[in-house]
Amino acid sequence: AQSVTQLGSHVSVSEGALVLLRCNYSSSVPPYLFWYVQYPNQGLQLLLKYTTGATLVKGINGFEAEFKKSETSFHLTKPSAHMSDAAEYFCAVSMYSGGGADGLTFGKGTHLIIQP
Amino acid sequence: KAGVTQTPRYLIKTRGQQVTLSCSPISGHRSVSWYQQTPGQGLQFLFEYFSETQRNKGNFPGRFSGRQFSNSRSEMNVSTLELGDSALYLCASQLWPGTANTEAFFGQGTRLTVV
Repeated sequence: AQSVTQLGSHVSVSEGALVLLRCNYSSSVPPYLFWYVQYPNQGLQLLLKYTTGATLVKGINGFEAEFKKSETSFHLTKPSAHMSDAAEYFCAVSMYSGGGADGLTFGKGTHLIIQP
Repeated sequence: KAGVTQTPRYLIKTRGQQVTLSCSPISGHRSVSWYQQTPGQGLQFLFEYFSETQRNKGNFPGRFSGRQFSNSRSEMNVSTLELGDSALYLCASQLWPGTANTEAFFGQGTRLTVV
């Protein structure tokens, strides 16, 4: 079975500082990895995803993540935080099995707080 | 183009009742998945439908069921509601099944409160 662990339910950074949200996964087969963002009273929006190929993935809004197989990690970073980045962030994993990918397995989420 | 539409946005039901939630996917999308979001358990996969057939199912009791119509619209039903069913129910729409191949677009969700 696959699982996702997000370290830190709340992360606080100053505006302009580096954002680092940690995600570790467990999977018996090569996984597909995703980061989603959720703003209050909204659904989820895909930030970026890793399927195959280049391990450094660039997403929307200046975010990027690096797939490190040896560390089973997929941490999300942004060089300079903006007030509009305040939201809940979810790391997710899915696997291809049989006729198609399983549903997404999500981490518990990390609430990102941006200090002015 | 229009996004994923979930109706209703908010719902209050009494324990023991049943409820039906609706999801209209993005035009042309044929795969619909449902997720339950609660503060305690987080986001959990309920089931996925494609071409009116359930392809995958999460670890939920049989009180949770769903279906998909020929126009790809989907409904999920929860019978004999329990207090623990209070949650945000999210629907995701994809062109095809398989999260690796096509992006899943989420609706704003239906907030269900069971009293």
